[in-house]
Amino acid sequence: DSGVTQTPKHLITATGQRVTLRCSPRSGDLSVYWYQQSLDQGLQFLIQYYNGEERAKGNILERFSAQQFPDLHSELNLSSLELGDSALYFCASTSSQLASETQYFGPGTRLLVL
Amino acid sequence: GENVEQHPSTLSVQEGDSAVIKCTYSDSASNYFPWYKQELGKRPQLIIDIRSNVGEKKDQRIAVTLNKTAKHFSLHITETQPEDSAVYFCAASTDGGSQGNLIFGKGTKLSVKP
Repeated sequence: DSGVTQTPKHLITATGQRVTLRCSPRSGDLSVYWYQQSLDQGLQFLIQYYNGEERAKGNILERFSAQQFPDLHSELNLSSLELGDSALYFCASTSSQLASETQYFGPGTRLLVL
Repeated sequence: GENVEQHPSTLSVQEGDSAVIKCTYSDSASNYFPWYKQELGKRPQLIIDIRSNVGEKKDQRIAVTLNKTAKHFSLHITETQPEDSAVYFCAASTDGGSQGNLIFGKGTKLSVKP
């Protein structure tokens, strides 16, 4: 157990809908990273937040957005969902904003868009 | 930006043999190179990492080597066991400026046959 939690574990929805994925970092960690892992694909970095502020952005679609709240949990919002958005979504956390610190991954949310 | 290439995409070995996975990176400023193991449907877990000021690091049956000049790093697993079967991802990151994200290779599916 990495100490990073994600909810829900599974999510099934329809095209065009909007969903929110939640991540709670390890106690004391200030940075949250979001990744998308499609079938047979590697981990694609989406976005990083550090202490409530956006720090780095990857190939995140405009239909996707994220935020980090004062209690440091983060939410990833996916809207106007398409079939291709079906994937595993992981978050990871570190104590600093540096990527050279070990990132601890949560168990992931499996999203299925029908 | 950084690009990480990983080879091979699949690797099958007999139990007890060694396995080697290789990665190359493009950004000479990258300074942190972790390796993650991901079992089916589970979270990526860090197995070993190396920083740019070190050429080699070993942890029991696992070792990582880094060649900064050639911009490549490799994972070596000796005396492989069936429980080593998983997908392995390499990654690289740079701590410059506000960039705090890992760039992952596409993964290597390792199968260890008993």
